[in-house]
Amino acid sequence: DQQVKQNSPSLSVQEGRISILNCDYTNSMFDYFLWYKKYPAEGPTFLISISSIKDKNEDGRFTVFLNKSAKHLSLHIVPSQPGDSAVYFCAASRWGGSEKLVFGKGTKLTVNP
Amino acid sequence: DAGVTQSPTHLIKTRGQQVTLRCSPKSGHDTVSWYQQALGQGPQFIFQYYEEEERQRGNFPDRFSGHQFPNYSSELNVNALLLGDSALYLCASSWPTGTGNEKLFFGSGTQLSVL
Repeated sequence: DQQVKQNSPSLSVQEGRISILNCDYTNSMFDYFLWYKKYPAEGPTFLISISSIKDKNEDGRFTVFLNKSAKHLSLHIVPSQPGDSAVYFCAASRWGGSEKLVFGKGTKLTVNP
Repeated sequence: DAGVTQSPTHLIKTRGQQVTLRCSPKSGHDTVSWYQQALGQGPQFIFQYYEEEERQRGNFPDRFSGHQFPNYSSELNVNALLLGDSALYLCASSWPTGTGNEKLFFGSGTQLSVL
């Protein structure tokens, strides 16, 4: 029973263009969502988060959008850079993030120069 | 300021053996969580320790146990290893911000191979 789904295992974009990574969830009790980035041989690194009371959160080149009615969130990276090439995990939790995180399987993003 | 450190980085064991993995949290963090990441999967929550007690537990058998010490460091123990326990084991630490929006800081993990 996968509560957080990232249906695209991989995504390839050109440098300077927009990268859009998608995530769907099934548990309506989730109220806090996070994106983590993972390079090979390193642990996941926190990227950006959003509370369920918001529909958008922005941090520099990264923006996360949340559509609660569709149980869908997306991460936009603009402009994409080669250093953004990594595996991106979507994660969700209840009660603000201190609760255990439920992760998706990840999307491998490749940004081509 | 050291981040989350885990040891060892790699480990090879045989079925039926027992293993202990170690984690030191980021300075100032008092909560430690453990995750298992199998190949091609996202991290799966094993358990979380706070004030030396297991506060939450995921869907893992009792073969998986842990401990947190007074200095907030933690150990993950796995008994009677199975081939399916081969995975990357990630430790994450956090601290209570009071906002409810704590985020986890992960270590680089211990790659466990069970032969």
